[in-house]
Amino acid sequence: AQSVTQPDIHITVSEGASLELRCNYSYGATPYLFWYVQSPGQGLQLLLKYFSGDTLVQGIKGFEAEFKRSQSSFNLRKPSVHWSDAAEYFCALLRYNTDKLIFGTGTRLQVFP
Amino acid sequence: DTGVSQNPRHKITKRGQNVTFRCDPISEHNRLYWYRQTLGQGPEFLTYFQNEAQLEKSRLLSDRFSAERPKGSFSTLEIQRTEQGDSAMYLCASSLADPNEQYFGPGTRLTVT
Repeated sequence: AQSVTQPDIHITVSEGASLELRCNYSYGATPYLFWYVQSPGQGLQLLLKYFSGDTLVQGIKGFEAEFKRSQSSFNLRKPSVHWSDAAEYFCALLRYNTDKLIFGTGTRLQVFP
Repeated sequence: DTGVSQNPRHKITKRGQNVTFRCDPISEHNRLYWYRQTLGQGPEFLTYFQNEAQLEKSRLLSDRFSAERPKGSFSTLEIQRTEQGDSAMYLCASSLADPNEQYFGPGTRLTVT
């Protein structure tokens, strides 16, 4: 069965520090992978996606993610975090030829000044 | 603004009442999805439409839930005889068939008392 694991429930960083949020997936082939961000009480905003090709993908708001097939991972990174990045981050996969996203349980990011 | 919109944003209802939510997708998107998100969890797939056809329903969607997309544009999600366990955020998303990048609305938060 396909699944997404986000091992870190809660991460706290200082403003200006670098960030890496972990995502591991379980799937027999190469999935389509996504990162979404959700501010409190809001819907989800698409940050970036991986479908194929270059394994390092760039997204909005200065985020990037790297697909590593050998580690079944798709970690999200940002070199310098801003206070406005505080939110909940969800990793998700879409199995080829199906149309539903399977989400992880999310990582809550807190940013200290 | 041409994003996904949902109404109402909040709904408080008493157990046993029926509720209906509306989703207006991005205009050129032919696919529309409903997800449910409970506190501390990632969204879970409920159902989706391609144009007016409902193509998949999750086992989470009991007989009390029904969704329609009558003209292939907006969609409604109705919950009959609400239960306290139905309290959640109901999220709508839309996409093209290819690429399948799902864009989410702000959600409808349902509270059943």
